[in-house]
Amino acid sequence: DGGITQSPKYLFRKEGQNVTLSCEQNLNHDAMYWYRQDPGQGLRLIYYSQIVNDFQKGDIAEGYSVSREKKESFPLTVTSAQKNPTAFYLCATTSRAGARGTEAFFGQGTRLTVV
Amino acid sequence: SQQGEEDPQALSIQEGENATMNCSYKTSINNLQWYRQNSGRGLVHLILIRSNEREKHSGRLRVTLDTSKKSSSLLITASRAADTASYFCATDNQAGTALIFGKGTTLSVSS
Repeated sequence: DGGITQSPKYLFRKEGQNVTLSCEQNLNHDAMYWYRQDPGQGLRLIYYSQIVNDFQKGDIAEGYSVSREKKESFPLTVTSAQKNPTAFYLCATTSRAGARGTEAFFGQGTRLTVV
Repeated sequence: SQQGEEDPQALSIQEGENATMNCSYKTSINNLQWYRQNSGRGLVHLILIRSNEREKHSGRLRVTLDTSKKSSSLLITASRAADTASYFCATDNQAGTALIFGKGTTLSVSS
């Protein structure tokens, strides 16, 4: 069953805690992306990776970190430096490096709440 | 940086009516895409239109692109309750390395 799996679906974080959101894909896609979605804000790009062992900051990278050690996996860590992490996080992939003219596939999202 | 900006922010219609939503963008593009998001779910790709195309159809969807006005519209004909969702336009970032999304239009179709 091909697709993108994000886990967990719901995540609760205490103040000062780091948490890691998982994103796994079996589509054999080169590029992977993390977006944050707040109500009324649309999607904002956090980080993206076009190939293994390489990634770039998006528009709102502060307080987040990523790694891309395997083609299938692109985990996102929300660090304690991210002061307002409560949001819906979406992972996406495109078949080739560079998004130009390619359809993006999305996971079902992780809803992170600070408690 | 938000490249696309959808209009209206929210739209409520009756089943059977047509729904039109618009997207304006700031810089030149190679293509523009439309996505749909059901509440609390991931986005699903609907249609892609290239900069040298003016109109494209897919089932009940019709997309137009006017590069001179830097705008696109998505028309859903004969809307159904199941079309209730948020709709987003997306374009490439300037480097062509990632998709940048607008804030979306929330469509509500009542039966």
